[in-house]
Amino acid sequence: NAGVTQTPKFQVLKTGQSMTLQCAQDMNHNSMYWYRQDPGMGLRLIYYSASEGTTDKGEVPNGYNVSRLNKREFSLRLESAAPSQTSVYFCASSELWGKLAKNIQYFGAGTRLSVL
Amino acid sequence: GESVGLHLPTLSVQEGDNSIINCAYSNSASDYFIWYKQESGKGPQFIIDIRSNMDKRQGQRVTVLLNKTVKHLSLQIAATQPGDSAVYFCAETPGGGADGLTFGKGTHLIIQP
Repeated sequence: NAGVTQTPKFQVLKTGQSMTLQCAQDMNHNSMYWYRQDPGMGLRLIYYSASEGTTDKGEVPNGYNVSRLNKREFSLRLESAAPSQTSVYFCASSELWGKLAKNIQYFGAGTRLSVL
Repeated sequence: GESVGLHLPTLSVQEGDNSIINCAYSNSASDYFIWYKQESGKGPQFIIDIRSNMDKRQGQRVTVLLNKTVKHLSLQIAATQPGDSAVYFCAETPGGGADGLTFGKGTHLIIQP
């Protein structure tokens, strides 16, 4: 099983360029998430989608948009990239069903983005 | 704002010894805690979790302890091996929902031969 797959693995952008980070999961999970990780830091939540058709802002949503394309796919878009968005981006998914559901999130390998 | 954090950025232990990684949290509403392991160049990998109605939970070579009185969480790794070398994060979320996780900054575990 592939789990959570992110593309691309690496990307270099110039300031002002746009791009979309892709994420797909094959575990039939309901919830999906986008985080960013800066050097020496923990992960910070950008956006999440609790279920297909819904999206919500996380801790650091400014400069990003998301689309939950279907149950499998959740994309993150940078409309006008800035150097402050240089980071490693992680997508995650979580099953979350039942009354005692646990929010165990499973992560992809990440996209390393540099904005010059 | 409330956050989850770790006491030490780096922990160096001898191979075969036990490792203890600590985490403090400030959100008294936190209901569910997870420890993740992140190897260089990879995404975080789930290790073990614990709900707030428990004090201790054991897995294979790992134990998580939760002290709600002082809002402290620890991860114990028994008989540390070279493959345990990684950054360890605690993460927290309120229970019952699909909210994102709040991560601490991480502790880098270094295994000395």
